[in-house]
Amino acid sequence: DAGVIQSPRHEVTEMGQEVTLRCKPISGHNSLFWYRQTMMRGLELLIYFNNNVPIDDSGMPEDRFSAKMPNASFSTLKIQPSEPRDSAVYFCASSLRTGVPEQFFGPGTRLTVL
Amino acid sequence: AQSVAQPEDQVNVAEGNPLTVKCTYSVSGNPYLFWYVQYPNRGLQFLLKYITGDNLVKGSYGFEAEFNKSQTSFHLKKPSALVSDSALYFCAVSQNSGYSTLTFGKGTMLLVSP
Repeated sequence: DAGVIQSPRHEVTEMGQEVTLRCKPISGHNSLFWYRQTMMRGLELLIYFNNNVPIDDSGMPEDRFSAKMPNASFSTLKIQPSEPRDSAVYFCASSLRTGVPEQFFGPGTRLTVL
Repeated sequence: AQSVAQPEDQVNVAEGNPLTVKCTYSVSGNPYLFWYVQYPNRGLQFLLKYITGDNLVKGSYGFEAEFNKSQTSFHLKKPSALVSDSALYFCAVSQNSGYSTLTFGKGTMLLVSP
């Protein structure tokens, strides 16, 4: 099993640009989570999906952030327009909805907004 | 609401000595409890979990954790620390009913000196 796959691993962009982060969950997992990690705020849950449907997006910081899951094997997190304060490491994780919700994390995308 | 407290930002221990990383939690009902480890520039890796049963849970890399319901604690332990154990450790809790997301602590940096 390849685990959770995220791309790109690193992204450097300028303020105002659109940024799209991508995630492929583990095959067979039907829950997907997007997290943001910063030194100041630690690990924050942004949004999660069950069976491709967004369940809770209360952690999404602003309307500039949006996430989609068009099918069971792909999700995107988009920031438009990006701002320097969005600089962080963004993690995607997946889990089986049934049973114990143990989550498996991807390697993360390190985003730097200049 | 559920929450996790990791009271120590950093724990220092000499190689070969036992280590403890503390975690307390708050959740309605019975908890699912988890420990994750994060190495530099990597995603979170699952170490161990408590679901039910024996209060002492054994996990990866020789780590174990003790569930204490009366003290609402789930401290991570290892009898003999290795330099390679140096990393960031996260405790997480989920409600043991239906399905709920994981709530993570802010993390504790473990530094093992040679």
